[in-house]
Amino acid sequence: GENVEQHPSTLSVQEGDSAVIKCTYSDSASNYFPWYKQELGKRPQLIIDIRSNVGEKKDQRIAVTLNKTAKHFSLHITETQPEDSAVYFCAASNGGGGFKTIFGAGTRLFVKA
Amino acid sequence: NAGVTQTPKFRVLKTGQSMTLLCAQDMNHEYMYWYRQDPGMGLRLIHYSVGEGTTAKGEVPDGYNVSRLKKQNFLLGLESAAPSQTSVYFCASSRLAGTYEQYFGPGTRLTVT
Repeated sequence: GENVEQHPSTLSVQEGDSAVIKCTYSDSASNYFPWYKQELGKRPQLIIDIRSNVGEKKDQRIAVTLNKTAKHFSLHITETQPEDSAVYFCAASNGGGGFKTIFGAGTRLFVKA
Repeated sequence: NAGVTQTPKFRVLKTGQSMTLLCAQDMNHEYMYWYRQDPGMGLRLIHYSVGEGTTAKGEVPDGYNVSRLKKQNFLLGLESAAPSQTSVYFCASSRLAGTYEQYFGPGTRLTVT
């Protein structure tokens, strides 16, 4: 079946450093790629997303890049802060009437002060 | 505007018992979803609905049933609970068009003994 692979599963960085999380997807029909952040004991919340007609999108300290040919996309967090510590999920969706989203397994990010 | 709510928040069942999880959204969203979240496996789609009166199977539908009798509610049923269904269950909803962002409920922690 369709799947999304996410790496690394755990990432530890020093405050102020950058963090990069990478995902690959298998369904070539995927056209929407969201990233969700889940703090401990909380619900997942969307932090940024990108559509297949765009190669890069940036929102303050976070950015996402997409390479459709290689079927991979990445989340970049610059100037990390302790409050960035959370689990991050990438996902791929084909939208449309049979709308389904496949999530990656998640990356637990630790930002050390 | 409460967003997406779930009841109950916690539940302990014995093997073989049945229960229904209720999800409600007040955002007039067309799409609704049920996910389960297990350690190291991300979010896996159980069932979803693209509108009132319609449901479809997701990635892991076995052992679960759903109903969407009203647009704002999406019910998840376990007819005969098994220990393998111990998990955290999240409901989510999204608009029909414009943005595919999913809004998640707070989750239900279910333990089956």
